Amino acid sequence: DVKVTQSSRYLVKRTGEKVFLECVQDMDHENMFWYRQDPGLGLRLIYFSYDVKMKEKGDIPEGYSVSREKKERFSLILESASTNQTSMYLCATGRGGGPSDTQYFGPGTRLTVL
Amino acid sequence: QKEVEQNSGPLSVPEGAIASLNCTYSDRVSQSFFWYRQYSGKSPELIMSIYSNGDKEDGRFTAQLNKASQYVSLLIRDSQPSDSATYLCAVNSQGAQKLVFGQGTRLTINP
Repeated sequence: DVKVTQSSRYLVKRTGEKVFLECVQDMDHENMFWYRQDPGLGLRLIYFSYDVKMKEKGDIPEGYSVSREKKERFSLILESASTNQTSMYLCATGRGGGPSDTQYFGPGTRLTVL
Repeated sequence: QKEVEQNSGPLSVPEGAIASLNCTYSDRVSQSFFWYRQYSGKSPELIMSIYSNGDKEDGRFTAQLNKASQYVSLLIRDSQPSDSATYLCAVNSQGAQKLVFGQGTRLTINP
């Protein structure tokens, strides 16, 4: 069974704070993804990584950065949190190896920026 | 045009009936198609994947794919109240390993 964990289920931060969201997987998956999910906008890809120290921008990378120093860990960083970054953040992993790859999601972090 | 389109619903179906969920996509080179179920406040969980034209059955779920029409659907037979959730259609993007998600269809099964 794939296990994907995220550091917090709920998080409240203030505008301007630096925020770290962490995702850890235990299945030796190559690919890791960060999404945000908002009502009416669906799931939107922020960043993804196919390998350690490798990252690629998704559809909405502005205001975010990521770090993947170890294969099992993928961190999302909000350099200076703003209220429009209040959202549900979802991490996903995939085995890698082609277009048929399935993604498995962590439980999500609901972030509120005041 | 959105890359992956779903009717947002809500779709209301009586218990025991067949629920039919539809999804269209715009990228003709897409190869892989997925249905995820998401309960309120929870994260998406994979229920079906399909890669070839035709039907794929798994228990009460059947996924149908028609690449010529760029259309994928999910049928849920003998619907149960526990099937009430939002169903997300996902399609791989331009042959890569990224997925593009539709906005989801909210399904309610009425006892």
